[in-house]
Amino acid sequence: ELKVEQNPLFLSMQEGKNYTIYCNYSTTSDRLYWYRQDPGKSLESLFVLLSNGAVKQEGRLMASLDTKARLSTLHITAAVHDLSATYFCAVDRAGGGADGLTFGKGTHLIIQP
Amino acid sequence: EPEVTQTPSHQVTQMGQEVILRCVPISNHLYFYWYRQILGQKVEFLVSFYNNEISEKSEIFDDQFSVERPDGSNFTLKIRSTKLEDSAMYFCASSGLGGRYNEQFFGPGTRLTVL
Repeated sequence: ELKVEQNPLFLSMQEGKNYTIYCNYSTTSDRLYWYRQDPGKSLESLFVLLSNGAVKQEGRLMASLDTKARLSTLHITAAVHDLSATYFCAVDRAGGGADGLTFGKGTHLIIQP
Repeated sequence: EPEVTQTPSHQVTQMGQEVILRCVPISNHLYFYWYRQILGQKVEFLVSFYNNEISEKSEIFDDQFSVERPDGSNFTLKIRSTKLEDSAMYFCASSGLGGRYNEQFFGPGTRLTVL
């Protein structure tokens, strides 16, 4: 059974600080996705990581993938309040065409002024 | 920008009743999915659909659930006889290419409350 584990599950940080969210998974998948969810809202796609060593950046967020270690990281640089949300990583379940995603439990991020 | 839409936004039903949740995927997408999220918990995969048939389903997707693409635009999830534990947010998603690039775009969700 595919397992996806995120840590921390809850993170409270101050504006201007840096932090990293970790996502470990149990399969040999080389495709990993990061989503953001605001309270009561849907999931917004942030990053698609498709190969070992992939790194993607958007604003203050940077995601990377190490398929050998089965680890992805989401790094937040100089956090701002608008980044407060829950962040999920997800992995393809089966490695085929119409794959369902297996999600981690999410990291609830609060950024305080 | 094209988006996935879902109706209704909130559905309240009595235990044992049938419900149909509706989704309109992004128009040129080929792969469709249903997920659910029980309040405060993680998102769970239910089923994927491609070329008018189920591609993959999870252990949650038992005989009480069914999916259908009744026309060229809608994608529905039916729960035949709802249980209290079916109360959750149900998200529809679609993706265009499948294969290695399986970026899935999610709809706003339908909150199902079973009383």
